[in-house]
Amino acid sequence: DGGITQSPKYLFRKEGQNVTLSCEQNLNHDAMYWYRQDPGQGLRLIYYSQIVNDFQKGDIAEGYSVSREKKESFPLTVTSAQKNPTAFYLCASSVTSGPNEQFFGPGTRLTVL
Amino acid sequence: GENVEQHPSTLSVQEGDSAVIKCTYSDSASNYFPWYKQELGKRPQLIIDIRSNVGEKKDQRIAVTLNKTAKHFSLHITETQPEDSAVYFCAGRGKLIFGQGTELSVKP
Repeated sequence: DGGITQSPKYLFRKEGQNVTLSCEQNLNHDAMYWYRQDPGQGLRLIYYSQIVNDFQKGDIAEGYSVSREKKESFPLTVTSAQKNPTAFYLCASSVTSGPNEQFFGPGTRLTVL
Repeated sequence: GENVEQHPSTLSVQEGDSAVIKCTYSDSASNYFPWYKQELGKRPQLIIDIRSNVGEKKDQRIAVTLNKTAKHFSLHITETQPEDSAVYFCAGRGKLIFGQGTELSVKP
């Protein structure tokens, strides 16, 4: 299914805890993205990375952090500063950040208890 | 700021009818317009895309039309089938902004 994986599928977190979501791709894509999906709101961009060791904030970056130390990996940390973290998180990658198809991972559903 | 508006939010059609979903965008520099389909519990997948130098593109029962002057593009699905039932998303600003999604239900 496109060679992009996310783990875990389901994640539960207590309030006040940081949690890291994994995203790995073996497609040799330069660009990677993190989206948050809430009912009725579509996909909202959290962070994106056009190339290894570089990343930019998206529209809703507050309370999140990322790293891009390796081309194939783009982990997302949901910090305790994120006010409403319960959501479905989707990672995606594309050959470049230009006009081309994005391939999505299966997603991680995060629930804050 | 830049945004993408998608309508309608829900659409119910009878099997065999056509369905049309429309997106408007604000960024004049946009030059790539994809449509994704997300079935329940699954990841979004690209179904068709169009670039700004083309006005229409077809792939079997689906087509996308682009009006750059009016800044809108539309997804057309003909002869709908129950397996077309899903949420459809458009995207703008390259791929960084998605529309709110349209939940399409095709009734047999």
